[in-house]
This record gives sequence, structure tokens and C-alpha cells, in this order.
Amino acid sequence: DAEITQSPRHKITETGRQVTLACHQTWNHNNMFWYRQDLGHGLRLIHYSYGVHDTNKGEVSDGYSVSRSNTEDLPLTLESAASSQTSVYFCASSEFGQGAADTQYFGPGTRLTVL
Amino acid sequence: ELKVEQNPLFLSMQEGKNYTIYCNYSTTSDRLYWYRQDPGKSLESLFVLLSNGAVKQEGRLMASLDTKARLSTLHITAAVHDLSATYFCAVETSGSRLTFGEGTQLTVNP
Repeated sequence: DAEITQSPRHKITETGRQVTLACHQTWNHNNMFWYRQDLGHGLRLIHYSYGVHDTNKGEVSDGYSVSRSNTEDLPLTLESAASSQTSVYFCASSEFGQGAADTQYFGPGTRLTVL
Repeated sequence: ELKVEQNPLFLSMQEGKNYTIYCNYSTTSDRLYWYRQDPGKSLESLFVLLSNGAVKQEGRLMASLDTKARLSTLHITAAVHDLSATYFCAVETSGSRLTFGEGTQLTVNP
């Protein structure tokens, strides 16, 4: 069955370290998204991609970067982790509906703690 | 900037009762999504509402969309404990991007 996976599921790191969170989907979806979830804020969009070599900044992109070298993967990098980036991170993908519904399907999440 | 507001943010209800969660948004959109999240879990798609007047029902949950009022509702009928979860509405903007509400944490008590 097609799915979307994230790794690691839990990560503890120190301030200033570079961290990369992986996201892999097997639906062959064009669109991929990264969100962070914090109490009181719901989910906020960090970065998104509409296809290979395409990346775009979302609402809260400062301190994060992504690259898309193939359809299946969109890794999220925290260049220099800060305590304010402690959060739960979700990756999602969608097909790009072209007029139809474009439901986003979410991965299981990565809980990141920055000490 | 698109704002999506849900209310209430916390809802405690008894089994068997009915209640409605409201989702207001600040800009024009014809597409609205409802998701469910169980504690410590991912988000699960519940409903996709694609036009004004759209109504979808699944079991004890019914969602509707009024694009002119920029309002969606999620109605719970005869609540049961299994419905306890956090419910999010999300409004689609250009390019398939979603803006989420804060979520409504629903607790159904016996």
C-alpha cells in the first residue's frame, strides 16, 4: 500500500546543531508539504514543493530549508537548531488536483526536542 | 493574510448529546477540509467540502460549507466516547496550500 513515512520519529538535539528530518511518500504525489504543530497554533506551513527541484517558503520558513531531488522525498533541514524549533513536525503530500479535491495525506510526525 | 478561527477550542460533552464546531475564515475559498487527530497521532482526513452548500456525512459527523458566510460547521450527533479527538478545519488557498484552524479538542464523557 502507498504510504508516507517520516524518520526519525523522535529526535533530541542540542542548540546550534544541524538536523535533517526525512519524509518519503510512495503515492507518486507531486505536492509535498512540511508543517510544524505547536499548542495554540494548530499546524503552520514551513515549506512546500510542487515537484522535483521546486521549493517554496511557507508561513514559518526562517531557520529551515528543503530540497527536492526526486518525487518521493522532501527532507527538512534545520540549519542551526534553536529551542524555539522544539515541536512536532508533519510531512504531507497531495496529488495536485487540477480542479478536483486535493486532500493532503499526513505522515506519522517527528517529535523534535532542542535542548 | 488568511485567518481560520475555530470555536470552541475545547469542548466537553456527554455521550448522547449533540453539538456543533464552527470554522470561520477570512478570505474567499471554495474548498475546506476537516481532519481528525487522536492524541500523539497523525491527522486523518474526514471531509472535503468543495462548493457552497456542500454537505457531507459520515456516521455521527456531518460537515457543511457556506462560502458566502465563510463558515463551515462540523455537527456531532449523539456523541460517543470514540469521537474524542482534536478536530481541525483547513482552508485551501492557491496552489493546494492549506491554512489550519487551531483545532477543537473534543472530549466525550460517559
